Amino acid sequence: KAGVTQTPRYLIKTRGQQVTLSCSPISGHRSVSWYQQTPGQGLQFLFEYFSETQRNKGNFPGRFSGRQFSNSRSEMNVSTLELGDSALYLCASSLNQGQQETQYFGPGTRLLVL
Amino acid sequence: AQSVTQLGSHVSVSEGALVLLRCNYSSSVPPYLFWYVQYPNQGLQLLLKYTSAATLVKGINGFEAEFKKSETSFHLTKPSAHMSDAAEYFCAVSAGNTPLVFGKGTRLSVIA
Repeated sequence: KAGVTQTPRYLIKTRGQQVTLSCSPISGHRSVSWYQQTPGQGLQFLFEYFSETQRNKGNFPGRFSGRQFSNSRSEMNVSTLELGDSALYLCASSLNQGQQETQYFGPGTRLLVL
Repeated sequence: AQSVTQLGSHVSVSEGALVLLRCNYSSSVPPYLFWYVQYPNQGLQLLLKYTSAATLVKGINGFEAEFKKSETSFHLTKPSAHMSDAAEYFCAVSAGNTPLVFGKGTRLSVIA
C-alpha cells in the first residue's frame, strides 16, 4: 500500500506570497493532520481533518488554513507568507479519528520564504 | 493538557553500546504513547506505540520501550546501537480529544 505523499517536496517563495501544499493519505485513511516543524519550535500541530471537517486546530494565525476533499486528500494554504513560515510541513494520515489511532507521516514539504 | 519532555537534546553512543532515550509525559487521562524516528530530509516513521495492552512494547529495528505509570516515563532502549540508528527520535503523547503532542526530540549519534 502506498504511503502518504506530499507535493511539492520543496518550495521557495517570497514574503507576501501565498502557498498551497497538498497531501494524499494512505488509501482508506480518513483523517489527515498537518504539522509544522522548525528547529526552534519543534513539531507543532496545525490542524486535523476528518470526513471533510476540521476537527482540531492548533495555535496558528488565520493565515494558515486547510481543507479536505471527499477522497480524503487534503490541502493547506498559507497566505501572506512571512520569513518565519519557513519550515518543514508534515502531513500525517490515520484510519480514523481518535487518540488510539496511529498517524503515518509523509516525507514533508520544505518551504523556504525569502 | 498533555505534554512530553525528552531529556537530552543530543545523545552519543558507541556502536554496539546500549541506547537509552528518555521520555517523560504528563497527562490527566490514560495516554497513548508513541516513539517516532526521523532520518535527515524525511518524514517521521513509527517505531512503537503503547496502548495499555502491555507495559513493555517492542518495536521495529530492535527498539523497545517500557511504560512506567508511577514514573510517568516511556523511555526507549536498544541493547546494541548500529550506525544506521543515527537519527532524531521523538516521543509523543495522545490523550482525550487533544491532538498528538511531541517532545522536542533527541538526536542520536552513533560513534564507530
